[in-house]
Order: sequence, then structure tokens, then C-alpha cells
Amino acid sequence: GENVEQHPSTLSVQEGDSAVIKCTYSDSASNYFPWYKQELGKGPQLIIDIRSNVGEKKDQRIAVTLNKTAKHFSLHITETQPEDSAVYFCAASLRENKLTFGTGTQLKVEL
Amino acid sequence: EAGVAQSPRYKIIEKRQSVAFWCNPISGHATLYWYQQILGQGPKLLIQFQNNGVVDDSQLPKDRFSAERLKGVDSTLKIQPAKLEDSAVYLCASSQNTGELFFGEGSRLTVL
Repeated sequence: GENVEQHPSTLSVQEGDSAVIKCTYSDSASNYFPWYKQELGKGPQLIIDIRSNVGEKKDQRIAVTLNKTAKHFSLHITETQPEDSAVYFCAASLRENKLTFGTGTQLKVEL
Repeated sequence: EAGVAQSPRYKIIEKRQSVAFWCNPISGHATLYWYQQILGQGPKLLIQFQNNGVVDDSQLPKDRFSAERLKGVDSTLKIQPAKLEDSAVYLCASSQNTGELFFGEGSRLTVL
């Protein structure tokens, strides 16, 4: 089955700096790569996703890049704000509805 | 639009006892999922329903876990008997066919 590795496990940045979280996947057939944000005591919430026919996608301060050859994808957050502090999960799947999640990155944005 | 509802939010039981969690998905969402999230890990799929049929339960420990979605709407996940390693947050999610999963706030289980 699919295996997703995520790094780093914790990330601390100053407000206004950029944050980058990286994931690798094992199944070259995977074609859907979402990113979820989980705040304390809440369920994960989709923030951005990318499909294998696209190399990059951007939505305001967040962007995701995909390198199919290397089987890795990354989340980029620019101009970080305190409300960006949360746990971020990457995921991969062959079908949209069967996700394998990474182990999560605890992002802390410091004032 | 109401989100995914789950109850109870917290449950503490002793090992070998039983527990049940309830989920009501977003109205109109045909697909319902139960995920297990152990502290410090990502969610792991336990079971996926499409309407009232099981699509995938390959990672459900069937000797102690069971789930049902009798009328194709709300669902119940049961654990009997519970083990210490079952301590986790049990997340319910639902989706249409757009790919996005909508998660509830989860039910936190502590097994003593």
C-alpha cells in the first residue's frame, strides 16, 4: 500500500517568514495530494490540494508543488501569521476517497 | 450548512469494556469514513461506507471493532472489548464526489 513520509515533525518560524513542509510518497500510481490543517481539538480541514497533472498550485499565501519523478510534494506558506499555527498533514491517494496521511508537522508561528 | 456531528467528545473506559461512537455526516454526503488518530500520528482509515454499503474495511480490527450505517445516513463505531492501544481520537468524515473530506471534531477515547 501507499506510504507517506512527512518532514519536519515540528517547525518554528517568526511571524512574516515562510514555512515549507515536505512529503514523499511510495506509490507512483498516486494522483491526488491534499494538505489538511488541524487545529487543537478540531478535525482536519482541507486547505489545498493538487492532482498529478499539475506541477504547482497557489491559493493566496499557500502553495503546493509536486515532483512526480521524485515522488515528493511540498507545502509553502508565505508571510506566516499566528493563526497559521497548527498541525499540517499531507496525504496521497490513487483514488480521491482513500487517503494515506503523513505523520504531521506541528507549525508554530512566533511573534 | 451543518458540519459533521460526532458524540461523545470524550470517553474514558477501562480495558475490556465496550464503547460506541456516533456520527452524523453532512446532509447529502453519500460517503462516510471512520479514522483512528493516535496521538502524534496522522489519521488512519478504519472503514469507508458508500451509502449503507462497506467500500473498504481492510484496516478495521474486526475481532473487536464493528461499524454500521444502516439507513445510509448516520453511523456507529463500536469497540468491544477495548484494549489500551485503542486510546486515540476517532474521527468521522464525509464527502460527496469532489475529493474533499469534511471531518468532525472527533471522539477522544482513553482506555485505562
